[in-house]
Amino acid sequence: GAGVSQSPSNKVTEKGKDVELRCDPISGHTALYWYRQSLGQGLEFLIYFQGNSAPDKSGLPSDRFSAERTGGSVSTLTIQRTQQEDSAVYLCASSFSDYTEAFFGQGTRLTVV
Amino acid sequence: ILNVEQSPQSLHVQEGDSTNFTCSFPSSNFYALHWYRWETAKSPEALFVMTLNGDEKKKGRISATLNTKEGYSYLYIKGSQPEDSATYLCAFITGTASKLTFGTGTRLQVTL
Repeated sequence: GAGVSQSPSNKVTEKGKDVELRCDPISGHTALYWYRQSLGQGLEFLIYFQGNSAPDKSGLPSDRFSAERTGGSVSTLTIQRTQQEDSAVYLCASSFSDYTEAFFGQGTRLTVV
Repeated sequence: ILNVEQSPQSLHVQEGDSTNFTCSFPSSNFYALHWYRWETAKSPEALFVMTLNGDEKKKGRISATLNTKEGYSYLYIKGSQPEDSATYLCAFITGTASKLTFGTGTRLQVTL
């Protein structure tokens, strides 16, 4: 596709279950970002990839969160043993380089019940 | 800790008013400054990417300026329209940390 694609668009999960969120960036974009927006909050940085490596994981809230990127393309964000405070919209963005605009996906709305 | 601050937090103007917002960022080790518009129920969309001190960019009725030495950027909207209602975000990249760090945004509401 032409844009950044995220799946699923909505996910309801029970507390304690693991979830995987997927991001398919624009072809050729080497930089990939994960952010989340909790209710009433701004964009919270989670992790940044340059190619397959993650030079900055500083935003991951706990060791229950992990992310990987394979082939310099698709990325998955995994949340283990989900908690209610993990409920948020998770946004992925990609860009060609650091000084070009980032393109955002439509987000995954995660609800932990 | 890198801090990007935006002001005001929210703004309510009448159609036709001109308005401006501020984005403040640390002036050391500057690399790039981005502006995005985030409409409700949509994803953020880029307005401008600015890299040089003194940069001025324009897109229709929206323009932005950049001062890297003092660490601020202004976003201007001339003749606001209801469709300009959105949250306007700025994001900062340093020369040593390539992540885009976003401010909390300025929420603009334009009424008739």
